[in-house]
Amino acid sequence: KAGVTQTPRYLIKTRGQQVTLSCSPISGHRSVSWYQQTPGQGLQFLFEYFSETQRNKGNFPGRFSGRQFSNSRSEMNVSTLELGDSALYLCASSVTGDTGELFFGEGSRLTVL
Amino acid sequence: KQEVTQIPAALSVPEGENLVLNCSFTDSAIYNLQWFRQDPGKGLTSLLLIQSSQREQTSGRLNASLDKSSGRSTLYIAASQPGDSATYLCAVGAGRRALTFGSGTRLQVQP
Repeated sequence: KAGVTQTPRYLIKTRGQQVTLSCSPISGHRSVSWYQQTPGQGLQFLFEYFSETQRNKGNFPGRFSGRQFSNSRSEMNVSTLELGDSALYLCASSVTGDTGELFFGEGSRLTVL
Repeated sequence: KQEVTQIPAALSVPEGENLVLNCSFTDSAIYNLQWFRQDPGKGLTSLLLIQSSQREQTSGRLNASLDKSSGRSTLYIAASQPGDSATYLCAVGAGRRALTFGSGTRLQVQP
């Protein structure tokens, strides 16, 4: 059974650009959530989607957005990139996203120059 | 606001030792608690999930306990091996479908 797949694994952008990251959840999982990991702030929750609906959002500016498609795949977008957006972006999937186990992908490492 | 603390921040032990990693949380109204392992530059690997109604979970050499009333969880690793070297993260699920993570314990097991 395939795990959570994130693409791309690594990317480099410059300030002001935008970036789109993709996440394919485990087959049968309908909940996808996104986390940002930085050395200074650790792991922080970005947002969670279930059946194409955003059910929860963390404390991040509006430059961070996401969506989920009918096949449960999800994308997150960061516009007008800032140096501080450099981080490992992790996607996690679960069956319902309520009290079940979360399974994480390998992450997308974003470097903003 | 839920806060999760992990102590110690780093730990170095010789191979074969049994060890305990600690996790504490400030709000006992949790749904579950999950322990993860993270290797350098990698994603998170789920180790154990404890639901709020459970007291402990075991998987191989790993045993995790949960004491909601005191806001504590421990991860016990038996007979540690060099391959156990990684950062161990504790995360609390308290509704809103989001986990609150501790800052992790970086474990190094010396051969």
